[in-house]
Amino acid sequence: DGGITQSPKYLFRKEGQNVTLSCEQNLNHDAMYWYRQDPGQGLRLIYYSQIVNDFQKGDIAEGYSVSREKKESFPLTVTSAQKNPTAFYLCASSIFTGEKLFFGSGTQLSVL
Amino acid sequence: SQQGEEDPQALSIQEGENATMNCSYKTSINNLQWYRQNSGRGLVHLILIRSNEREKHSGRLRVTLDTSKKSSSLLITASRAADTASYFCATDDRGSTLGRLYFGRGTQLTVWP
Repeated sequence: DGGITQSPKYLFRKEGQNVTLSCEQNLNHDAMYWYRQDPGQGLRLIYYSQIVNDFQKGDIAEGYSVSREKKESFPLTVTSAQKNPTAFYLCASSIFTGEKLFFGSGTQLSVL
Repeated sequence: SQQGEEDPQALSIQEGENATMNCSYKTSINNLQWYRQNSGRGLVHLILIRSNEREKHSGRLRVTLDTSKKSSSLLITASRAADTASYFCATDDRGSTLGRLYFGRGTQLTVWP
């Protein structure tokens, strides 16, 4: 089954802690994305990657970091510098940028 | 920014009625897409319409695009309770080489049995 997998589904962060959200795809897509969604809001782009070993900041990159060492993986680290991390995080991929996005099922991050 | 705006923010109808949602955007585009999101889940792609197309159908979905008005509409015919979800439009930016998509805040559709 081809698709995009996010884990964990729920994650709790303590003050001063970095946490990493996993995103894996087996669709052979070049482009991958991380979005943040707050209640009742649209999606805001955090980071995106058009190709392996390359990524660009989106609209709200501060307090987040990513890596793209493998085509199928695009993990997102929420650092302690992100003061308001509670949100629903969505990972997506597309065959190339600007085309149809395939989304994972999301990770709900909360602060303890 | 290019972010699209959906209208209305919320829509409540009875089963069997048609639901129409609108999206407006700011700059020239290559394509416009509509997505659906059930509560607490990821988004699911519904339909993509390119800038040289005016109308597209997929099952009970009909999408129109008016590039002169920078607007699009999504019509769901004969709605069902299972259509209850948030619907988002997403656009690219023809003037940018980045290829990213811009999402609106969505329309929350509730269909009552």
